[in-house]
Amino acid sequence: DAGVIQSPRHEVTEMGQEVTLRCKPISGHDYLFWYRQTMMRGLELLIYFNNNVPIDDSGMPEDRFSAKMPNASFSTLKIQPSEPRDSAVYFCASSGTRRTNEKLFFGSGTQLSVL
Amino acid sequence: EDKVVQSPLSLVVHEGDTVTLNCSYEVTNFRSLLWYKQEKKAPTFLFMLTSSGIEKKSGRLSSILDKKELSSILNITATQTGDSAIYLCASFAGGTSYGKLTFGQGTILTVHP
Repeated sequence: DAGVIQSPRHEVTEMGQEVTLRCKPISGHDYLFWYRQTMMRGLELLIYFNNNVPIDDSGMPEDRFSAKMPNASFSTLKIQPSEPRDSAVYFCASSGTRRTNEKLFFGSGTQLSVL
Repeated sequence: EDKVVQSPLSLVVHEGDTVTLNCSYEVTNFRSLLWYKQEKKAPTFLFMLTSSGIEKKSGRLSSILDKKELSSILNITATQTGDSAIYLCASFAGGTSYGKLTFGQGTILTVHP
């Protein structure tokens, strides 16, 4: 298995632009998570899905952030409009069935820089 | 709100030293505690602990959970430069928050030759 695949690896954009981050979870995994990591705040959970349904989005900073999971093999995290304070590494992670899903598998992350 | 706190935030040691990293949690519907190691990019899984007092070992690394004290420790013996990384602990919630993994801020470990 190729693992969790994220794209792009790096994104540099200007303030006000729309940013879309993409994630392909491990095939067969029921849970998908989006995390953001900064030096100041560490790894923060933004939102997670179970069977494509959003379960908890309380970590989404504000209305500029939105996430979708249209099917079991694809998810997006969108920021519109982007701001410099959104600069961070964004990780997508997936985990297996309810019996085994404590162990998360992380993608390589997207390094986002908003100028 | 679920909370996971790690200490120390950073640690600098020399090769061969033994280190102990601490993690405490305040989590509604606690189910398990996990340790991850993060080097260049993505965190990688080390241990999952669900039962109090049972040590998990993998080579020079070991970890144990104390549910009474709401805490866990990660020990690394005979440290090597390759152990330099950020060590993250995370709580896994059950109940209505089932699936939610909350991370601590991490301990940055630096091992000098």
